[in-house]
Amino acid sequence: DAGVIQSPRHEVTEMGQEVTLRCKPISGHDYLFWYRQTMMRGLELLIYFNNNVPIDDSGMPEDRFSAKMPNASFSTLKIQPSEPRDSAVYFCASSSHRTKGTDTQYFGPGTRLTVL
Amino acid sequence: DQQVKQNSPSLSVQEGRISILNCDYTNSMFDYFLWYKKYPAEGPTFLISISSIKDKNEDGRFTVFLNKSAKHLSLHIVPSQPGDSAVYFCAAGLSGTYKYIFGTGTRLKVLA
Repeated sequence: DAGVIQSPRHEVTEMGQEVTLRCKPISGHDYLFWYRQTMMRGLELLIYFNNNVPIDDSGMPEDRFSAKMPNASFSTLKIQPSEPRDSAVYFCASSSHRTKGTDTQYFGPGTRLTVL
Repeated sequence: DQQVKQNSPSLSVQEGRISILNCDYTNSMFDYFLWYKKYPAEGPTFLISISSIKDKNEDGRFTVFLNKSAKHLSLHIVPSQPGDSAVYFCAAGLSGTYKYIFGTGTRLKVLA
């Protein structure tokens, strides 16, 4: 199993530009999560999906952030327009309700975003 | 407002000794708790979990203790090894919701 795949691994962009982060969850997993990691706030849950449907987006910081999951094997997190304070590591994770006895989430390697 | 707090940003321990990482939470409804380990340039990986019906869960060198009345959990690593050097995140939430609140992490350094 390839695990959760994220692209790109690094993204450097200028303030005001649109940024799109991509995620491919583990095959068969029905939950997908987007997190943001910063030094000050640790790992923050931004949004999560169940069976491609957004369940909770209360962690999305503002309207500049949007996430989609058009099918079970692909999700995007978009920031438009980007700002320097969006600089962080963004993680995607997936999980399966069929994993007995645990709610383990499997994380991708992350995308390090730098907004200049 | 942080519902899950890891008040020690870093910890250094000698190889072979015990490492104790602490975590506090504020929401008494939380009934499932997890620890994740994170190496540089990698995503967090699941380490160990505990349900609120237990006060201890052990997996090899790793033991998690839960004190519900104090809203406190701790991770013990015995004996500590240099390969345990990583950032450790605790997380808490309601079982079955798949939504977990993570702490800010504690960086553990095990000295050889």
